[in-house]
Amino acid sequence: DAGITQSPRHKVTETGTPVTLRCHQTENHRYMYWYRQDPGHGLRLIHYSYGVKDTDKGEVSDGYSVSRSKTEDFLLTLESATSSQTSVYFCAIRDTYNEQFFGPGTRLTVL
Amino acid sequence: DAKTTQPPSMDCAEGRAANLPCNHSTISGNEYVYWYRQIHSQGPQYIIHGLKNNETNEMASLIITEDRKSSTLILPHATLRDTAVYYCIVDSNTGNQFYFGTGTSLTVIP
Repeated sequence: DAGITQSPRHKVTETGTPVTLRCHQTENHRYMYWYRQDPGHGLRLIHYSYGVKDTDKGEVSDGYSVSRSKTEDFLLTLESATSSQTSVYFCAIRDTYNEQFFGPGTRLTVL
Repeated sequence: DAKTTQPPSMDCAEGRAANLPCNHSTISGNEYVYWYRQIHSQGPQYIIHGLKNNETNEMASLIITEDRKSSTLILPHATLRDTAVYYCIVDSNTGNQFYFGTGTSLTVIP
């Protein structure tokens, strides 16, 4: 599992509230990613990071922001959650062999 | 957008080889072919990747055609635990995103 944890694993929140998801890695990999997965879709990239304070947008970044103040943590924030952001969120790292390893996922429900 | 095309579903008898095809006709010379699988609601799991030569590891074999426009993932002796969605991805290892597509849902039948 490449030492990747995600928290929380499950969250139910209401529309309009802010939500922060955390991804933590223990192996000092430079690249970290946030994906979302919805029924009928594969994983879609939200944001990624290529180092501390270095981030960039992915395919579906609208409504999301990220921060990486430490190598080991990559935070995904929904400033004002909407029902369309109900999804399963996966964090991943990329190792030195260019393989991506994924965390266990966070199931977010926005009511 | 995903740069690959895969059949949406396949069945395979337990103990037989599962051959999962992938079309990547627009692949560039510096792009690798990666295979991942996702079991139920778990995070995707890396299986294998290659550039142009065939590759084998403890999980599977990857056969890439000479023109690199298609590939086949082979699970030599499928078990019930291999039931999953299998994703074929092409990527140039630039550090940017993987495009996952919708994959192939493989069901191994007892």
